[in-house]
This record gives sequence, C-alpha cells and structure tokens, in this order.
Amino acid sequence: DVKVTQSSRYLVKRTGEKVFLECVQDMDHENMFWYRQDPGLGLRLIYFSYDVKMKEKGDIPEGYSVSREKKERFSLILESASTNQTSMYLCASSRPPGETYGYTFGSGTRLTVV
Amino acid sequence: TQLLEQSPQFLSIQEGENLTVYCNSSSVFSSLQWYRQEPGEGPVLLVTVVTGGEVKKLKRLTFQFGDARKDSSLHITAAQPGDTGLYLCAGAIFNKFYFGSGTKLNVKP
Repeated sequence: DVKVTQSSRYLVKRTGEKVFLECVQDMDHENMFWYRQDPGLGLRLIYFSYDVKMKEKGDIPEGYSVSREKKERFSLILESASTNQTSMYLCASSRPPGETYGYTFGSGTRLTVV
Repeated sequence: TQLLEQSPQFLSIQEGENLTVYCNSSSVFSSLQWYRQEPGEGPVLLVTVVTGGEVKKLKRLTFQFGDARKDSSLHITAAQPGDTGLYLCAGAIFNKFYFGSGTKLNVKP
C-alpha cells in the first residue's frame, strides 16, 4: 500500500525550540509539499519541492524552512517555534502533474507550542 | 479571503437524506479535486474533474465541474454514517493547488 509517512502524530514543543517534522514517501514521487491546516482557514501551503535539493516558498513560509536531500524525504523545520505555529501539519506528495494525479497526504502531525 | 469558498461550512443530516455541497470561486481553474478527511487523518483524494461541465460519479457521490471551470458541486445520495467527514475542494492554477476551508458533514444513524 503506497503511502506518505509523517514521523510523529502528536508533538508538544516549547517556545523558541527548533522543531523538525519529517515526511517520507514510498511512491517515487517528484513533488512534495508541506501544508498547515487551521480551522476556518483550510490548508495553506508552506513550502514545496519539485526535485531533490530544490525548494520553493509557498504562501506562508515565514518562520519555516525545508530540506530535501533525498527524493523520498522532505523535512519541515521550525527555526524557533512560536505559539502561533500551533497547528496540524500535513505533508503530501504527487506525481507530476499534480493537477492530474492529485496528492497523497500523510496522516498529519498535530503540533502544540507552549 | 480564500480563493475557494465552500458552503455550507457545517451540515448535520439523518442517514438516507440527500445533500449538496458547493465550492465557488471567481477564478478559473485548470482542474478541481475533491478530498475527504476523517478526524485525525490526512485528506484522501475522491475525484479530479478537468473539463468544464464534466460530471463524475463515484457510487452515491456525484461531482460536477462548472461550465466556466470556476465552481464545483458534490452531491451525495442517501447519505450514510460512513460519509461523515470534512470535504475539501482544491482548484489548480498553473499546477498549484488552492484549498477551500471545507464542509464538515455529520450523518446521524
């Protein structure tokens, strides 16, 4: 069964900590994405990558960075966690073009920053 | 302001009822997708529509893409408790997706 795996389902971190969210896909997809999901705001794109070592800013990149050293792994980094980064984080991958094949999402990481 | 507006935001119905949820925008999309998300899980792709006016059926679910490719609807016939979840639409512009905030559906037995 093909899938996208996010390393943690729940995380609690303190303000100011550096936080790593890991995402691995086993479908050999070129495209990978990080979204955050907040009630009433839907899914908002943080960063995406169309290839290894490549990254592009999404709509809300401030306070985040990403790393894609291998095709199957896309990491989201919160440089200095803040309470307004408390959210559900969703990783997704797709075969290009994504608008034809759609996204496969992970189960999400619910991050709480205290 | 979101690019895609979904309505209604919440819907609670009895098993066996029919329902329609809407996804509207002033923008033109090259394709539109519908996802269903269950609590604690990521969204799962239900369908992709590409052509204006296109209608696709998935068992009791009927999806329609507007003629001008700016809107879409999802109709569920004889809803069942297993249909409960958050329904999200996502429109593609230049291979980038914009998601609506979703319709939360609860089907009571």
